[in-house]
Amino acid sequence: SQQGEEDPQALSIQEGENATMNCSYKTSINNLQWYRQNSGRGLVHLILIRSNEREKHSGRLRVTLDTSKKSSSLLITASRAADTASYFCATSITGGGNKLTFGTGTQLKVEL
Amino acid sequence: SQTIHQWPATLVQPVGSPLSLECTVEGTSNPNLYWYRQAAGRGLQLLFYSVGIGQISSEVPQNLSASRPQDRQFILSSKKLLLSDSGFYLCAWSKERGIGGYTFGSGTRLTVV
Repeated sequence: SQQGEEDPQALSIQEGENATMNCSYKTSINNLQWYRQNSGRGLVHLILIRSNEREKHSGRLRVTLDTSKKSSSLLITASRAADTASYFCATSITGGGNKLTFGTGTQLKVEL
Repeated sequence: SQTIHQWPATLVQPVGSPLSLECTVEGTSNPNLYWYRQAAGRGLQLLFYSVGIGQISSEVPQNLSASRPQDRQFILSSKKLLLSDSGFYLCAWSKERGIGGYTFGSGTRLTVV
């Protein structure tokens, strides 16, 4: 079963707008990660946030983690057409080593 | 720098035929290795992972098997493919210890006909 569930399933925005994607999970985690996948390609690691962190930034990406609500959000600021892709959250659960369980993904489309 | 190679990129195989997908990693030692499958429009399902040569853990009982004959080589196999084995297969590696992100290969699109 899926540990993570992303919301929304699909998101369409205009270039320059911000995009926010949410992820909920079920069990205690060591860390939560976000990945990007262009159509028909492998996944690319974007950012990792540990369970004792609440917010992390990387370039135009901002990730928050709320362990009390078992949820995370990924914010992409000033989106570009090149940001069009699917975005997945993945969790490393407590006691699970470094195995990752992926969510179902959010398809982001950034239009010119 | 570390790189991961996965081949072939696409494969069309008849039902009942065997399968062998190969993944190799360069530029690192003792990686953790993973095989995932992605159904169309879905998330990734972990199939197998390995923490060392000959050490394979299966996550989902199925028609597939995995082997790690060398430290940086991970092979996904099947003796007889089923229609339900169709999908996008992804290999990935992570550092041996500690917390870290995965590096994925470019994937193999398998269609069983």
